[in-house]
Formats: sequence, C-alpha cells, structure tokens
Amino acid sequence: EVQLVESGGGLVKPGGSLRLSCAASGFTFSSYSMNWVRQAPGKGLEWVSSISSSSSYIYYADSVKGRFTISRDNAKNSLYLQMNSLRAEDTAVYYCARDESPGYSYGSPFDYWGQGTLVTVSS
Amino acid sequence: SYELTQPLSVSVALGQTARITCGGNNIGSKNVHWYQQKPGQAPVLVIYRDSNRPSGIPERFSGSNSGNTATLTISRAQAGDEADYYCQVWDSSTYVFGTGTKVTVL
Repeated sequence: EVQLVESGGGLVKPGGSLRLSCAASGFTFSSYSMNWVRQAPGKGLEWVSSISSSSSYIYYADSVKGRFTISRDNAKNSLYLQMNSLRAEDTAVYYCARDESPGYSYGSPFDYWGQGTLVTVSS
Repeated sequence: SYELTQPLSVSVALGQTARITCGGNNIGSKNVHWYQQKPGQAPVLVIYRDSNRPSGIPERFSGSNSGNTATLTISRAQAGDEADYYCQVWDSSTYVFGTGTKVTVL
C-alpha cells in the first residue's frame, strides 16, 4: 500500500525557517517524481515544487522561488522541503504527492497524496 | 502566468448531472487533471489526461477538453460527491491549479 506521511510542520515566526519531510513507503520511491502542494486555510490548492526521481529536474512556483528548496534522499525514501524566510502568506497545510507514473514525464497527475502537515507563520 | 478559472459553486439535484468547467487559454492543447477534495481530507485524483479514470473511480465521473474549456461531468450525482473539485495543468514548467468549485448535491 502506498503511503506518504508528512512531518515537520508547526508554528514559526516570520523570517524563520522550517524543514518538512515526507516519508514514503509501499512503492519504489527512487523511480517517481515527487511534489509539494499547499493549501492556505479556507483556500484552494497551490502547487509549490516538484523534483524528478534522480533530482535532475527541479521546479518551483514563483511565490517560493529563492526561499524554498526541494530535495530527496532515495536511500531513505524521503522527500524534503526546506523553507526559509517564511512569511505569513506561507501559512498552509503542506501536502506531498506522487507523480502518477514512474520515470520522468512533465505534467503528470498526482495519484497519491499524504494527509498534510500544517505550517503556521505568525509572530 | 497561466490561469485556470472555475465557477465558485455548482449545485445538482440528487441523481442528476453536474458539469464543472475549467477555463484557460487554449486549454484544449494541454492535459487536464481533476481532483476531488472533501473537508479535512487530502485531494483525490478523479480524472487524468482529460478523460481517463483512475482505478476505483466510478464511471459516473467523466471528462472532456476542447478549445478554451475543460469539463468534469458527474452523472447520477450522489450525496457522497459533495466536495471541492480542482482542475490542474502543466504550463511553462509549472503546475497550475484551478480556482476550485464547490459541488453541492441537493
């Protein structure tokens, strides 16, 4: 069974940093591109970042470019999001999600999602 | 940047058909994916690449895409279909989600 479990969320002050993790199981993690998607309270979905299976291709939303860094450790079946210079508008539930097909294929749908971890940026 | 516009809400009578639109410039040339999200839950993929259903998704869910509009159709709507629905595309090395539509089953 495919499982994605996010952790690392919490309360942080504006300007602070946080590192989110996503532990994957039930599939060959190293074969799939992975993604981070966030959802502010009461708002819609916003794509944050994507990383290909071997980390060769990395993409960011303009809203986080230069502040957030996506990475992965295939030996540990884990996905990460390092978030720096956090702002109030970064407050959201952060989901990790798997690309639907193995290998690299831009524009793939996300077929499995974690339950999310809440990040609150407030003084 | 590319924008996807959805109606804020759609209401449908129990057992009838709901159509949720997703508007974007020449969206017909892109692959459109659709997600269902119920309160407090993670999104679930219901249609991918315009009109394909993942395993486990009822045949009542279907999709189409042409011109400037993609459409998710829910036939024989059930109470359990009440949820928010989002369209998604890939454009210029970014994913874009639609604004979201709340479906209410009356």
